[in-house]
Amino acid sequence: DAGVIQSPRHEVTEMGQEVTLRCKPISGHNSLFWYRQTMMRGLELLIYFNNNVPIDDSGMPEDRFSAKMPNASFSTLKIQPSEPRDSAVYFCASSLAGTGLYEQYFGPGTRLTVT
Amino acid sequence: RKEVEQDPGPFNVPEGATVAFNCTYSNSASQSFFWYRQDCRKEPKLLMSVYSSGNEDGRFTAQLNRASQYISLLIRDSKLSDSATYLCVVPFGGGGSYIPTFGRGTSLIVHP
Repeated sequence: DAGVIQSPRHEVTEMGQEVTLRCKPISGHNSLFWYRQTMMRGLELLIYFNNNVPIDDSGMPEDRFSAKMPNASFSTLKIQPSEPRDSAVYFCASSLAGTGLYEQYFGPGTRLTVT
Repeated sequence: RKEVEQDPGPFNVPEGATVAFNCTYSNSASQSFFWYRQDCRKEPKLLMSVYSSGNEDGRFTAQLNRASQYISLLIRDSKLSDSATYLCVVPFGGGGSYIPTFGRGTSLIVHP
């Protein structure tokens, strides 16, 4: 079975440009998570969707970040405009949420470099 | 306040050693917790779930201590391939809606 799919795997862009990261969760999973990982801050939850609805976006850094999940099989995380401090690895994860259980499956990540 | 604390290490142990990590957390009503393993430049992968009764899978044992608010991971007979960063996950929330919070991870290096 295909796992979580993310694209692109690597992205290098210049400051001020728009960046769009894409994620396809595991088929049948109803929860989707976007994380950012840096050496300084570790793995941070940015936003969490349940049944395509954003449940908690308190981790989204600022208005430059936005996320959508138009259907159960696709989500995007957009940064506009990008800044050098956005450089990080962005992971998407999905899970089949039950009461109190969140066994998440991560995609391979998108390594973003903003120059 | 949601807090999940781990000793970053690194824990440097010889093959065959037994090593244990702890992860402390602030108040959580969750019934289940998780340990993930992350290899260098790879994504985190689920290692074990931790329930109130603990969990054992081969050389790995995970336990939950609610009173002291920590979960532990014990690795017996360490292998070179166990070298990785181990992340604990504590769900915070309630009412059937929990938000997972990751610790910063503990680095393990197993040497010959």
